[in-house]
Amino acid sequence: AQSVTQLDSQVPVFEEAPVELRCNYSSSVSVYLFWYVQYPNQGLQLLLKYLSGSTLVKGINGFEAEFNKSQTSFHLRKPSVHISDTAEYFCAVSAHITGGGNKLTFGTGTQLKVEL
Amino acid sequence: DSGVTQTPKHLITATGQRVTLRCSPRSGDLSVYWYQQSLDQGLQFLIQYYNGEERAKGNILERFSAQQFPDLHSELNLSSLELGDSALYFCASSEQGFTEAFFGQGTRLTVV
Repeated sequence: AQSVTQLDSQVPVFEEAPVELRCNYSSSVSVYLFWYVQYPNQGLQLLLKYLSGSTLVKGINGFEAEFNKSQTSFHLRKPSVHISDTAEYFCAVSAHITGGGNKLTFGTGTQLKVEL
Repeated sequence: DSGVTQTPKHLITATGQRVTLRCSPRSGDLSVYWYQQSLDQGLQFLIQYYNGEERAKGNILERFSAQQFPDLHSELNLSSLELGDSALYFCASSEQGFTEAFFGQGTRLTVV
């Protein structure tokens, strides 16, 4: 079974400052890793994903993440945040499960609050 | 717009009742997933269907059931509703070779 840990439930940051949202995962098999964003009263939108290849993944809205297999981490970063980045961010892992299914296992989420 | 459509957007019902949530996946996607999002449990995987067949089951209560129809739309049936079933229910879909899941806007269920 796989699991995801997002250590920070809330991250306050000033506008134009850099931010890092931390994500650690555990799995006994190879995984795909994802970051999703959820704005208030909306669904989940994919920010970026790691499937294979380069460990540095670039996503939408200037976000990027680095897959670190030895540390089982997939931290999300943005060099300069904007007020509009205020949202809940979810890290997720996917692995094949018995019977051929796939499922995304989500972390508990990190609320990013960007302040002026 | 993810291309995944969920109806209704909001649903208010009484305890003990039964409701049906509907999901239309993206065109061409064969897999449909149901998730429940609540403040205390976070995002919980409920069930996955692939081309009409149940493929994986998560933390789905026995009072809940789902199915995927030949046109690939899916329905999640929730019965004998309790106050604790109040949550946001998301549907997601993915293509045959899973590389990501596309989420709908969700159905907010309030049980009173």
